[in-house]
Amino acid sequence: KAGVTQTPRYLIKTRGQQVTLSCSPISGHRSVSWYQQTPGQGLQFLFEYFSETQRNKGNFPGRFSGRQFSNSRSEMNVSTLELGDSALYLCASSQGLGHTDTQYFGPGTRLTVL
Amino acid sequence: AQSVSQHNHHVILSEAASLELGCNYSYGGTVNLFWYVQYPGQHLQLLLKYFSGDPLVKGIKGFEAEFIKSKFSFNLRKPSVQWSDTAEYFCAVRVRGNDYKLSFGAGTTVTVRA
Repeated sequence: KAGVTQTPRYLIKTRGQQVTLSCSPISGHRSVSWYQQTPGQGLQFLFEYFSETQRNKGNFPGRFSGRQFSNSRSEMNVSTLELGDSALYLCASSQGLGHTDTQYFGPGTRLTVL
Repeated sequence: AQSVSQHNHHVILSEAASLELGCNYSYGGTVNLFWYVQYPGQHLQLLLKYFSGDPLVKGIKGFEAEFIKSKFSFNLRKPSVQWSDTAEYFCAVRVRGNDYKLSFGAGTTVTVRA
């Protein structure tokens, strides 16, 4: 089975721009979660989706948004980019939202904001 | 505040030495516990997980972890490390209930010298 894929792998943007990141979960997985990884803050939860519905959202400003499609693929969008948004954005998928479901991570998208 | 603490920021070992990484959490209730590893240039991979039952769990590559409920701990161990174990190790906690997100520790960088 192919793992979680994320595109693009690298992005360079300037302040004020917006960006869309894409995640394709493992085949058969219906839940997708997003995390931000930075050297200073570590791994922080952004949001999770299941069956096209956002089930939970982390403590991030409204500039961060996401959605999930009927094929379970997910996108996240960051508008009005700030320097502090430079990070590795990780997507994780799991079969569902059961307590025994395990999240498997993709390689991430490295976003650099100049 | 609820948190996940990893005691060591950076550990340096020689090959064949034993490794133990500490992880403590401050969440109440029933938790699921995970250790993930991030090798240089690679994505987060699951090492092992604990959901219930035997508190001593075995994972991949010879790693094991022990859940001690009374101490809110989930320490990772490996009896004899190899150079290829050089990586960053993350402890993660999920509180069972409505919240499915993973809360991560800050990570421990392990450097194994040949």
